[in-house]
Amino acid sequence: DTAVSQTPKYLVTQMGNDKSIKCEQNLGHDTMYWYKQDSKKFLKIMFSYNNKELIINETVPNRFSPKSPDKAHLNLHINSLELGDSAVYFCASSQVAGVTYNEQFFGPGTRLTVL
Amino acid sequence: SQQGEEDPQALSIQEGENATMNCSYKTSINNLQWYRQNSGRGLVHLILIRSNEREKHSGRLRVTLDTSKKSSSLLITASRAADTASYFCATVLYGNKLVFGAGTILRVKS
Repeated sequence: DTAVSQTPKYLVTQMGNDKSIKCEQNLGHDTMYWYKQDSKKFLKIMFSYNNKELIINETVPNRFSPKSPDKAHLNLHINSLELGDSAVYFCASSQVAGVTYNEQFFGPGTRLTVL
Repeated sequence: SQQGEEDPQALSIQEGENATMNCSYKTSINNLQWYRQNSGRGLVHLILIRSNEREKHSGRLRVTLDTSKKSSSLLITASRAADTASYFCATVLYGNKLVFGAGTILRVKS
């Protein structure tokens, strides 16, 4: 059974378009994250939600808007896509409350290509 | 910006040999984690070491942490072709935020 799933796996779109990536976790975790991995494999956190509440918001253009309808889902909407948004986007989840360590579980990634 | 550097950037060894990867970081941490990423896949957690621990083992993996030098190392013993992947260290600061190093690409030749 898939623990953290993302859709779509690949997304090819034109500059200026608006697109969404969906993420779902069935681990019962209370915290979810979005990471961006660029072409040089650098991974950087973008957002983190704990029980549907935004707790980490890195320096990300406001064209990126995360939405968490419930604690099992964290979607990423991107407006007015730019060439520099091309990357692989990873969703992750972890259990924070009541644990002393914080291993994160990653989804398979969504490769976004902006033409 | 990235928390730190990983060394080497790439490593190529023969099956059966040991592989050692190093990670340095810049700030005080809560814990440090190592992840593996196979080509085209998501990251998989390997091992976590807390700031008050110096060494930890998990199967063929051995991780050390030197907080005075702000560095960690990952040793994979008796490597296998299936260990071919990118390996990332990640430090945990506040809010369960992972800050990743640049990664080491490991290739194990059979």
